[in-house]
Amino acid sequence: NAGVTQTPKFRILKIGQSMTLQCTQDMNHNYMYWYRQDPGMGLKLIYYSVGAGITDKGEVPNGYNVSRSTTEDFPLRLELAAPSQTSVYFCASNSPGGKDQPQHFGDGTRLSIL
Amino acid sequence: LAKTTQPISMDSYEGQEVNITCSHNNIATNDYITWYQQFPSQGPRFIIQGYKTKVTNEVASLFIPADRKSSTLSLPRVSLSDTAVYYCLVGDLERGSGNTGKLIFGQGTTLQVKP
Repeated sequence: NAGVTQTPKFRILKIGQSMTLQCTQDMNHNYMYWYRQDPGMGLKLIYYSVGAGITDKGEVPNGYNVSRSTTEDFPLRLELAAPSQTSVYFCASNSPGGKDQPQHFGDGTRLSIL
Repeated sequence: LAKTTQPISMDSYEGQEVNITCSHNNIATNDYITWYQQFPSQGPRFIIQGYKTKVTNEVASLFIPADRKSSTLSLPRVSLSDTAVYYCLVGDLERGSGNTGKLIFGQGTTLQVKP
């Protein structure tokens, strides 16, 4: 049972480069999320999606874009990488439905921008 | 979205019971309270979730008073492996409401368990 899978695990980018962080889940969850976590801090929500074709901004969306063409995949795009985007990125998913529907997290992508 | 407040850090010793309290004064009627645990270099992991009164599972208990403006995560007899960051989240996951299910993480409580 794979759960939420994120690739790559590590990446170093130069300022101004672009890249896509991949996230896929095999639990048929409707909801998917992208968070970033800076050192010693909690997670901040970047974007989220309540289903294929639907996305919305979270707390810190600037500098990022997302798409949700399928239920399984929710890629996060950095168009012009900046040092402030150095962070650990976590993808999560869950299904709506009241209690006992927690978010399942991937293991993260550690991104450094130099 | 309800904001949560937790202590930044706590220390404990092996075998002790640890109680971490979270304040969420503006919790909404449909909001659930969820606690996550995060180890270094890993994604958060679900511990327990509740709506009111008391919930218990194999790893923790969650106490929620009648006004639901706070909650307490109780970890019985902690071990060194319980050293982690614990997050309290409040959010709306009502079935069929079309809501976002968006959850906001605070800074969490860093629990250090000592031998």
